[in-house]
This record gives sequence, C-alpha cells and structure tokens, in this order.
Amino acid sequence: ILNVEQSPQSLHVQEGDSTNFTCSFPSSNFYALHWYRWETAKSPEALFVMTLNGDEKKKGRISATLNTKEGYSYLYIKGSQPEDSATYLCAFANTGNQFYFGTGTSLTVIP
Amino acid sequence: DTGVSQNPRHKITKRGQNVTFRCDPISEHNRLYWYRQTLGQGPEFLTYFQNEAQLEKSRLLSDRFSAERPKGSFSTLEIQRTEQGDSAMYLCASSLGQTPNEQFFGPGTRLTVL
Repeated sequence: ILNVEQSPQSLHVQEGDSTNFTCSFPSSNFYALHWYRWETAKSPEALFVMTLNGDEKKKGRISATLNTKEGYSYLYIKGSQPEDSATYLCAFANTGNQFYFGTGTSLTVIP
Repeated sequence: DTGVSQNPRHKITKRGQNVTFRCDPISEHNRLYWYRQTLGQGPEFLTYFQNEAQLEKSRLLSDRFSAERPKGSFSTLEIQRTEQGDSAMYLCASSLGQTPNEQFFGPGTRLTVL
C-alpha cells in the first residue's frame, strides 16, 4: 500500500484569504496526480490531472503545481470564498493504473 | 450530476447476507473503477475495468468481493457473507481513454452491516 499524505488535515480561513495545501506521494512509478474537490453529499469533482514534472494548472482562482522528482503537489486557492468549502483530495496514479488517494484536506471558509 | 449513477444509494443489511451494488458509467467511458471509503479516509482503490476486462484488483479485496462488467457498460460489485467491517461508502467512477484522464464519480452506495 502506498502512502499519499495530505496536509493540513483541516483548515479554517477567512473569506478573501489565500491558502494552499500539500499532497506528498511516492516519486517512483509515477503516472499521474489528480486533484478532486468533494463537497458533502456530492460526488468528488475532478479539478486537475497532472502528469509532467513542473506542470502548473489553473482553473479560476484555483491552481496546482507538480514536482514528480521530490513527490509533492501544491494546490492553491486565491481569495477563498465560502463556496470553496469542501474536502480537497489528491490521488496518485502509478504505472500499474492503480489509484491511491490521500485522506484529504477539509477547508472551511468563514464568511 | 456527473452522469455516473449508482444504485442503491443506501443499503442496510445483516451480517452474513450478500449484497450487490450497481454502477452505470457515462456511456462512452471505457474505464470503470470501484473504490471504498470509510470515515476519515480517502477513497481506497478496489478494482478497475477497461471495457469488460477486469485489469487490476487490489490485494485488499478479499475473496468475498467480486465485480463484473459483462458488456463493458454497467458494472456490479457483490459482497458475499457481509461483515461489519464492510460498512463503508462504495464509490464508482468512470473515465475515457487512458489513466491520466479525469475520473467522474457517482454519488456512492452507503453500506451499513448490522
């Protein structure tokens, strides 16, 4: 079983603050790194799929970076809004096509 | 709504009974994944299909678990002789093409074994 670790486990920020989370994963047998957003009572929603070392992706106020050599990815949210409150999951996909999820970072944005 | 549906949404069963869950992926998606998620944990990979072929199966999946995707469309996950430790959310996801493509998740089936 591979270890995919996310930190922090939970985070409370004020509306308008910018924040970031970390996902650490094994650097060997890397194939892809996925970020998902999971709101309570809804299905996980894909944010980014990243495959190349140095990748940077952006969707609105959310962006992510990838370092496959050292095994980490950062997710950034600029100017957090209450609707950003959710659990953010990362998933490591290895060359054997298996996915390993972290335990998630629970974000609460306080109005 | 992602386009992936799962039934039932909730299942309560007694220990020792068999249960079967169904997943209907997005119609053109050739890959289908099953995950299990327990409280405080991320989704745990169970198995995946490419079309009708089951290509990977987690070592965590005991012999009591079996999954099928007979025509390469919907899939079923069966748990035989359920145990209390099987209580979890069972998630299905589908994707198109190769692994790096994003997965679209269904709403899950929550299983409670009494």
